[in-house]
Amino acid sequence: QKEAEQNSGPLSVPEGAIASLNCTYSDRGSQSFFWYRQYSGKSPELIMFIYSNGDKEDGRFTAQLNKASQYVSLLIRDSQPSDSATYLCAVIAAAGNKLTFGGGTRVLVKP
Amino acid sequence: GAGVSQSPRYKVAKRGQDVALRCDPISGHVSLFWYQQALGQGPEFLTYFQNEAQLDKSGLPSDRFFAERPEGSVSTLKIQRTQQEDSAVYLCASSSGTFQETQYFGPGTRLLVL
Repeated sequence: QKEAEQNSGPLSVPEGAIASLNCTYSDRGSQSFFWYRQYSGKSPELIMFIYSNGDKEDGRFTAQLNKASQYVSLLIRDSQPSDSATYLCAVIAAAGNKLTFGGGTRVLVKP
Repeated sequence: GAGVSQSPRYKVAKRGQDVALRCDPISGHVSLFWYQQALGQGPEFLTYFQNEAQLDKSGLPSDRFFAERPEGSVSTLKIQRTQQEDSAVYLCASSSGTFQETQYFGPGTRLLVL
C-alpha cells in the first residue's frame, strides 16, 4: 500500500457545485497533512494544512481530517473553472520532515 | 518577498552527460528539500537539508545523484552520467523551520535526457 493514496480522477463537477476529494494514508503516526494544487506545467501551490482531527475552513476550501480512519479530505465549494487542476495530498510521517504525496486527483470544473 | 527560484527552468541533456540544477530557497529558510516528479505522478522525495547538513538522502535513486548546500542557502542537485529514466521535473522546496512546517515550492527544472 502506498503511503498516501488518491483517486486519480478526473473528477468532473459543474460550475458552482461542491468538489469532494479524498486521500487515505497508511502511517497511523502521521501528524501533518497538506493539500496542494498543481496546474498543468506548474509547481505545487499550498492550499491548506491541517494537523488536528475535524474541519478547517479557508474561504471556499474545507479540509477534513479523521485520524482514526486515516483519511483527509478536501471540499471545494462553489467550484469555478479556475479550480480545474490536479490536487495533491501530502503527509508528513511522525518522525521526519519529508512530504509523501499521493498521486493526485485531476479536477475538471465545467462551465 | 521572493519565493523559491530554480535554474535552469529547462534542461536537455544527452545520455551520459552530467547536469547541475540550482535552487535558491526563500531567504532565511532553514530547511531545503528536493523532489522528483515524473509525468502524471505526485512528487517523490529525494533529499533534505537543514542548513548545510544533509540529514536525509534516502530518496536519491542511485549514487549518480548528489546534492549539496555548502553555505546553508543555495543548493545544487547534480546528476552524473544521465540516463533516460532521469527525465522528470525536479522540484525544490524550502520551509522556515525544522519540524514539519509548510514547504513552499519553486517552479521546478524540467530535465529531458535524450
